[in-house]
Amino acid sequence: QKEVEQNSGPLSVPEGAIASLNCTYSDRGSQSFFWYRQYSGKSPELIMFIYSNGDKEDGRFTAQLNKASQYVSLLIRDSQPSDSATYLCAVNGGGADGLTFGKGTHLIIQP
Amino acid sequence: SQTIHQWPATLVQPVGSPLSLECTVEGTSNPNLYWYRQAAGRGLQLLFYSVGIGQISSEVPQNLSASRPQDRQFILSSKKLLLSDSGFYLCAWKGFNEQFFGPGTRLTVL
Repeated sequence: QKEVEQNSGPLSVPEGAIASLNCTYSDRGSQSFFWYRQYSGKSPELIMFIYSNGDKEDGRFTAQLNKASQYVSLLIRDSQPSDSATYLCAVNGGGADGLTFGKGTHLIIQP
Repeated sequence: SQTIHQWPATLVQPVGSPLSLECTVEGTSNPNLYWYRQAAGRGLQLLFYSVGIGQISSEVPQNLSASRPQDRQFILSSKKLLLSDSGFYLCAWKGFNEQFFGPGTRLTVL
């Protein structure tokens, strides 16, 4: 049974600071890793994905992957109140490459 | 560009009643399609996936079924709803590797 673990939070970060969200996964065979943002009452929207060890940057977002430690993280620079949401970590490997999700981390950006 | 639709947006149903949720995708052909459920206090759980018309695979045993009568249509059904079927139902399609979600259907079973 694949598992994806996230701290549920809430994680409170002041506006303009860096928010750091973490995720661990159980299956060493996982190949692809995804971060989704979900506002309350809405469906998840894809922020970014990462396949290779190291960092991947996209605007204010940086995903970091360490396959040896089975660890994925998402950094949000210059955090804005609009970044307040639940962030879901997901890994591939389900049937026909369905995703296994963590329960999400609730992020609050304080103005 | 690709668009995914789900309806209805919200639904309140009594225990024991039937269910039919619909998902359609535009702007892509022969996509892999998925049904997920997000129950209160739980993560998104993959329920069904489909790689083509008439091809359905279930990931977890449950009270629900799925069908894919057309290439870009995916339907989630139940003959008799249980209280435990309440949740936020999300349809998704797969691009090259990533998945994109529809707006979801919030189901409350009373």
